[in-house]
Amino acid sequence: SQTIHQWPATLVQPVGSPLSLECTVEGTSNPNLYWYRQAAGRGLQLLFYSVGIGQISSEVPQNLSASRPQDRQFILSSKKLLLSDSGFYLCAWSEAGPPYEQYFGPGTRLTVT
Amino acid sequence: LAKTTQPISMDSYEGQEVNITCSHNNIATNDYITWYQQFPSQGPRFIIQGYKTKVTNEVASLFIPADRKSSTLSLPRVSLSDTAVYYCLVGPNSGGYQKVTFGTGTKLQVIP
Repeated sequence: SQTIHQWPATLVQPVGSPLSLECTVEGTSNPNLYWYRQAAGRGLQLLFYSVGIGQISSEVPQNLSASRPQDRQFILSSKKLLLSDSGFYLCAWSEAGPPYEQYFGPGTRLTVT
Repeated sequence: LAKTTQPISMDSYEGQEVNITCSHNNIATNDYITWYQQFPSQGPRFIIQGYKTKVTNEVASLFIPADRKSSTLSLPRVSLSDTAVYYCLVGPNSGGYQKVTFGTGTKLQVIP
């Protein structure tokens, strides 16, 4: 069966510090991968998606970046965190074909202080 | 992307059937309708997807009228564990992935 892992589970970082969140998927190959952010009491905002290694599409201009160095690994990064980057970060995967049902990881709670 | 509108919140008693309606007036011909459920501090979980008429699975039914400008998620005999946020998403199933937007959803509170 397929599983998705995210780490760390929680993170407290000062403003201006770098960020690296990692997501890995097991049990499938060539998945679509997604990064979302959910601010407190808000809906999910799609940040990046990837349909293959090295193929990253950005949905929202910001100080975040994403990379997909391996087929089942998706990394979210920032060189300098802002207070507004605080939130719940979720990684998801879907098959590379319809119905594209998305399976979400456990999430990372990021607090920028 | 088609814009969706759904109630911000709903309350229901245990054991009742709950219907959550989503409006999507500018739905495109190749758009599908998908519903997700999210519990606090967890990622959303897929519930059901449909294109037209009625779709049913082990947890819910999805009713889509002929004009497809709205859809209704039906949860039979809800329990306290169904308290969650429910998202209606509309987007095409093509181009290598489904591009959808999660709005703020409908917060369902099940009352004992």
